[in-house]
Amino acid sequence: GESVGLHLPTLSVQEGDNSIINCAYSNSASDYFIWYKQESGKGPQFIIDIRSNMDKRQGQRVTVLLNKTVKHLSLQIAATQPGDSAVYFCAERVQGAQKLVFGQGTRLTINP
Amino acid sequence: DAGITQSPRHKVTETGTPVTLRCHQTENHRYMYWYRQDPGHGLRLIHYSYGVKDTDKGEVSDGYSVSRSKTEDFLLTLESATSSQTSVYFCAIRGRGGPGGTDTQYFGPGTRLTVL
Repeated sequence: GESVGLHLPTLSVQEGDNSIINCAYSNSASDYFIWYKQESGKGPQFIIDIRSNMDKRQGQRVTVLLNKTVKHLSLQIAATQPGDSAVYFCAERVQGAQKLVFGQGTRLTINP
Repeated sequence: DAGITQSPRHKVTETGTPVTLRCHQTENHRYMYWYRQDPGHGLRLIHYSYGVKDTDKGEVSDGYSVSRSKTEDFLLTLESATSSQTSVYFCAIRGRGGPGGTDTQYFGPGTRLTVL
């Protein structure tokens, strides 16, 4: 499949463990944030999002945390499975803009 | 998959030739986007459209043009392809996402373009 990044930060975790992927965003005026998952050879897949008036949001096995003070976003994946292996990246939307700004991503590898 | 298809999925072409990539959506979304994805750069916006015949430039628009003559199709054209345009191209639409109905972007499967 296509290579989405030859020198991405990588994170390796054991199957069944929890993983935390971090993202630092750039603009204090950003009001909406999204996490995407991209498997090899596929398009980015929406996982979960959060607005700036929230600190935490939970989905199925995933939790997004937002710390506006330090402009930091994290994605927690509980009980990781082999299918969680992918590149994960965050995106931010500056308030009032119609566009998103994407981070370069982190490659998550699940070890059996 | 948000009803987005891209064609072709793979293309190899030669420098100087024109290339058109097609994005088709089935859900009547107003906003559509073209991105390119390259190692070390992440996703970068080329052009976007906010309605039929309404388009605007993104951060890497040089060498690309777009057209949207009907809601469901957004075309990306490389007038004279160069090797620097070798990339994976993704189309996206803006649709309903998370809390409070905030709109988010959903992506197509991508087109891998190689310019020799």
